[in-house]
Amino acid sequence: DAKTTQPTSMDCAEGRAANLPCNHSTISGNEYVYWYRQIHSQGPQYIIHGLKNNETNEMASLIITEDRKSSTLILPHATLRDTAVYYCIVRVDWIYNQGGKLIFGQGTELSVKP
Amino acid sequence: DTEVTQTPKHLVMGMTNKKSLKCEQHMGHRAMYWYKQKAKKPPELMFVYSYEKLSINESVPSRFSPECPNSSLLNLHLHALQPEDSALYLCASSQEVGTAFSNQPQHFGDGTRLSIL
Repeated sequence: DAKTTQPTSMDCAEGRAANLPCNHSTISGNEYVYWYRQIHSQGPQYIIHGLKNNETNEMASLIITEDRKSSTLILPHATLRDTAVYYCIVRVDWIYNQGGKLIFGQGTELSVKP
Repeated sequence: DTEVTQTPKHLVMGMTNKKSLKCEQHMGHRAMYWYKQKAKKPPELMFVYSYEKLSINESVPSRFSPECPNSSLLNLHLHALQPEDSALYLCASSQEVGTAFSNQPQHFGDGTRLSIL
């Protein structure tokens, strides 16, 4: 069962920041938050992940609230190529060395418009 | 460009056919995964391989048979599939699967789009 909730869809103007929210109120203390996106007809693309602290890489920034019950993915200057479904995922671990399960929620369909 | 390569990109097969999907990665990853994605739905995990051994089977029907010949290759053998098995089949890999490396992301291929006639 997915442990995250996201808005179904969002619009963003090209060149503006896109802020995608995610609620994960049942997250455990050692569970990471991952963000992936899936552009039409492609496989999911890893964006960023974090545990407690805010994270930034060349693609995006991840802001995690102090209580870790929610997070926001920020695309600082959205382009048309950022139009995709964005998945916020809390990884579920099995027994050590048996596998880590990414349980995808329904995701947010982000449309970047000119 | 993805570092996980899946072939073929598209496959159409009849319900009595036998076919195989292939996945390859050269990142030195020791965990590999098969996911199934129906249209307009998120991916769902099918199988996990760790160090070439099957570690997780998410109650997948036996008409899907995974195989990991070596650390770089992952196959999915298909036999007697049903029309409802039509979907995008995604392969992914990650450095490890153990808890100690649970912050390692999975890298996905672009999938094989399978249609069952």
